[in-house]
Amino acid sequence: DVKVTQSSRYLVKRTGEKVFLECVQDMDHENMFWYRQDPGLGLRLIYFSYDVKMKEKGDIPEGYSVSREKKERFSLILESASTNQTSMYLCASSLLGVGLNQPQHFGDGTRLSIL
Amino acid sequence: EDKVVQSPLSLVVHEGDTVTLNCSYEVTNFRSLLWYKQEKKAPTFLFMLTSSGIEKKSGRLSSILDKKELSSILNITATQTGDSAIYLCASGKIAGNMLTFGGGTRLMVKP
Repeated sequence: DVKVTQSSRYLVKRTGEKVFLECVQDMDHENMFWYRQDPGLGLRLIYFSYDVKMKEKGDIPEGYSVSREKKERFSLILESASTNQTSMYLCASSLLGVGLNQPQHFGDGTRLSIL
Repeated sequence: EDKVVQSPLSLVVHEGDTVTLNCSYEVTNFRSLLWYKQEKKAPTFLFMLTSSGIEKKSGRLSSILDKKELSSILNITATQTGDSAIYLCASGKIAGNMLTFGGGTRLMVKP
């Protein structure tokens, strides 16, 4: 079974802090994703990575950056946290799809509150 | 801009009822439609649909894709309290690895 592990289930930080969210997957998946989930808005893609050191912006990358130094680990960084970044953050991974989309496997999420 | 819309936003039913959840999409180079169930934690994968008119079934859950209508439905028969969750649909594109998610339908099944 695929396991996607997010480092924290709940996190409380202050405005202006630099925040790191970590995600590790154990299935040697090429693709990794960071989403945020807000009520009524579904999942919105922040960043996507298809290989080590490779990244692509999603729909809402402003205020975020990512790092993928190893295949199994994908970090989301809030450069200077703001209250509008209070949200549930979900990490996912999938195989590289060739000709067919691959289901994404999700972690349990990090509920981040910025005070 | 690609768009996936789910309806209804939320639904309350009683155990034993049958429910139908809807998902419509406007996606260029559409390839597949995926359904997920999200209880308290991680969304879990239910179905992936690529061909129109072919039903996929897993126990009391079934889903079908209509490429002419650009939509999909998820049916749950004989609902149980354990079916209470947010149901998410997502679309995937040809030659792409990203998914576009809808806003979800929150289903509550009362005993």
